[in-house]
Amino acid sequence: AAGVIQSPRHLIKEKRETATLKCYPIPRHDTVYWYQQGPGQDPQFLISFYEKMQSDKGSIPDRFSAQQFSDYHSELNMSSLELGDSALYFCASEPQNSYEQYFGPGTRLTVT
Amino acid sequence: AQKVTQAQTEISVVEKEDVTLDCVYETRDTTYYLFWYKQPPSGELVFLIRRNSFDEQNEISGRYSWNFQKSTSSFNFTITASQVVDSAVYFCALSFLDAGGTSYGKLTFGQGTILTVHP
Repeated sequence: AAGVIQSPRHLIKEKRETATLKCYPIPRHDTVYWYQQGPGQDPQFLISFYEKMQSDKGSIPDRFSAQQFSDYHSELNMSSLELGDSALYFCASEPQNSYEQYFGPGTRLTVT
Repeated sequence: AQKVTQAQTEISVVEKEDVTLDCVYETRDTTYYLFWYKQPPSGELVFLIRRNSFDEQNEISGRYSWNFQKSTSSFNFTITASQVVDSAVYFCALSFLDAGGTSYGKLTFGQGTILTVHP
């Protein structure tokens, strides 16, 4: 069965650089969520999209932005990277009215 | 506001022992969903179970069982006859529906319990 695809799986950036993380949801899933998991922490909700519109927003820094495209894939753009942005970033997709999120494998971002 | 508490930071057991992971939640919503996820060392989040607030039936799936007690706001997870492959971080999580039935499906996670099963 198709799963959520995230790319890249690993990314190393320097401080003040930008990064773009991509998420390809499971086909026919109309909602995408982004989470950030710092080392030894639980995942924290960043932002979500339903039918290409932002549906909810969590503790996402102003330096981060995200969107969902017409093909339902989503991108998380991160600028002016800081050391504290080093984390595992998960994308999850959800079929309509299922209340069950399917997580991708995550992108491990390291900022040096 | 929603909150999930997993008081056990780390648990260590020997293979074949039974182990229970505790989860206590707080929410003012009447309709909500509770989840358990497993995060093995490889890092992915593996869905284990979802339970809605109206369904207090306990569930068993192989060696896994879940006990949902609405009266005590708890959703505990038991692994019977643990195995080394069960070693992972386990997260309990909560999401809710607002009064209009809109799914604010973002998950609020507990802090996680690190389970180590020794051979």
